[in-house]
Amino acid sequence: TQLLEQSPQFLSIQEGENLTVYCNSSSVFSSLQWYRQEPGEGPVLLVTVVTGGEVKKLKRLTFQFGDARKDSSLHITAAQPGDTGLYLCAGRYTGGFKTIFGAGTRLFVKA
Amino acid sequence: GAGVSQSPRYKVAKRGQDVALRCDPISGHVSLFWYQQALGQGPEFLTYFQNEAQLDKSGLPSDRFFAERPEGSVSTLKIQRTQQEDSAVYLCASSPAAYGSGETQYFGPGTRLLVL
Repeated sequence: TQLLEQSPQFLSIQEGENLTVYCNSSSVFSSLQWYRQEPGEGPVLLVTVVTGGEVKKLKRLTFQFGDARKDSSLHITAAQPGDTGLYLCAGRYTGGFKTIFGAGTRLFVKA
Repeated sequence: GAGVSQSPRYKVAKRGQDVALRCDPISGHVSLFWYQQALGQGPEFLTYFQNEAQLDKSGLPSDRFFAERPEGSVSTLKIQRTQQEDSAVYLCASSPAAYGSGETQYFGPGTRLLVL
C-alpha cells in the first residue's frame, strides 16, 4: 500500500512544454525527497525538502513542500527529451528508518 | 569512486529455490537499505542496517526473507523457497551517515529477480 499518492501516473508531452506533478499524503513527513529513475537503474536523488513551504530550484526544475508538510509538487519548465524518466517522491518520518515511496509519475518528452 | 554495486543483475529462479542477492555499498557508508520494487510501482522498504546492526526489518514480507551485513560493509539478502510473487527488482542503497531525516541515499542498479 502506497501512502504517498502521485499524479498523474503517466504524462506524455512535447518538448518545450511545462508540466507539474504532484505528491500527496494524509501523513506529515519530516522530509520529502524527489528522485528520478531510468530503466535498469536505481533512483537518483534530485532534491530534499525539509521545511513546510520550502521551495527549491534545480535548473528548470522547481520543487515545493506544502506548508503542512503533507504534499509536494515538482514543476518542470520547458521540458526536454532528457527529462524523460520515472519521477518518484519519497517521505520520511521523524524517528523511523523507513523511506516511503510513491508509485511514481512516468514522464515522456517527445522531441 | 565506485558507486553501489549489486550482483547478480538478473536472476531467474524456479519456484521453491533459494536465492542470495549481494550488495556492495560505497566504501565507508554507515547506512544500508534494501528495497523491493514491483513492476510499475515505487520501491518498498524492506530493511535497514547501521553498520552491522539490523535496526529495522519491519518491511520484510515474510520469514522467508533474511538479510545480513556481518562486517558492516557487504550485505546479502536471502530469499528462501522463492514464490512467484517475489518477482521484482531488489534495490540496495547506502548512505554515509547514520539515519537522519535528510541524508542522501545512493542506490545501486538493482537485481531483477524472476521466479518461474
